[in-house]
Amino acid sequence: QITLKESGPTLVKPTQTLTLTCTFSGFSLSTSGVGVGWIRQPPGKALEWLALIYWNDDKRYSPSLKSRLTITKDTSKNQVVLTMTNMDPVDTATYYCAHRDRIVGATDDAFDIWGQGTMVTVSS
Amino acid sequence: QSVLTQPPSVSAAPGQKVTISCSGSSSNIGNNYVSWYQQLPGTAPKLLIYDNNKRPSGIPDRFSGSKSGTSATLGITGLQTGDEADYYCGTWDSSLSANYVFGTGTKVTVL
Repeated sequence: QITLKESGPTLVKPTQTLTLTCTFSGFSLSTSGVGVGWIRQPPGKALEWLALIYWNDDKRYSPSLKSRLTITKDTSKNQVVLTMTNMDPVDTATYYCAHRDRIVGATDDAFDIWGQGTMVTVSS
Repeated sequence: QSVLTQPPSVSAAPGQKVTISCSGSSSNIGNNYVSWYQQLPGTAPKLLIYDNNKRPSGIPDRFSGSKSGTSATLGITGLQTGDEADYYCGTWDSSLSANYVFGTGTKVTVL
């Protein structure tokens, strides 16, 4: 059974750096084709994809946030870490991590399992 | 602002059918596979459809997906009160670099 759980601060001040950790179980991020992504959702608003890291350390970032984001993985700890610099109140959101893989028989991969999310508020 | 446009809301009575459109372009839907996600109130999103029209194990066949050109559609038949949720399409976009995009989201209301 695949599970993911996000952890990190619930409150950060403007200009600070946010560090979020996704701790997962039930799969290995060294398995070919597997990835873990980060997605956020401001209160009452739509989902926004942030970043994705694959088993081979291929990293993808949202073009609009690329300069502020860094995604890394620690395969031995089953963790993926997202850092976002220069936080602003508009970054207040629930942050989700999600498992990305190709379902058996599929052509493309998909975010098939999601964590419960963690709410981050940016305020002084 | 997302590059994938969905209607803000759709509604129908129990037992009826609704369709949700997801409009994009050749840089996203036109050349990539579409997934659909269901987000029940207060919960994390859940994968409903992948590869345009395939359902993960456990997803009832009341949910269906299709794609034509630069648009995709999610259909829900036999609408149930438990289907009240927000629905999002998602796909890769290659207009700037290979990045993933979600639609603007659609709220389904069961009357």
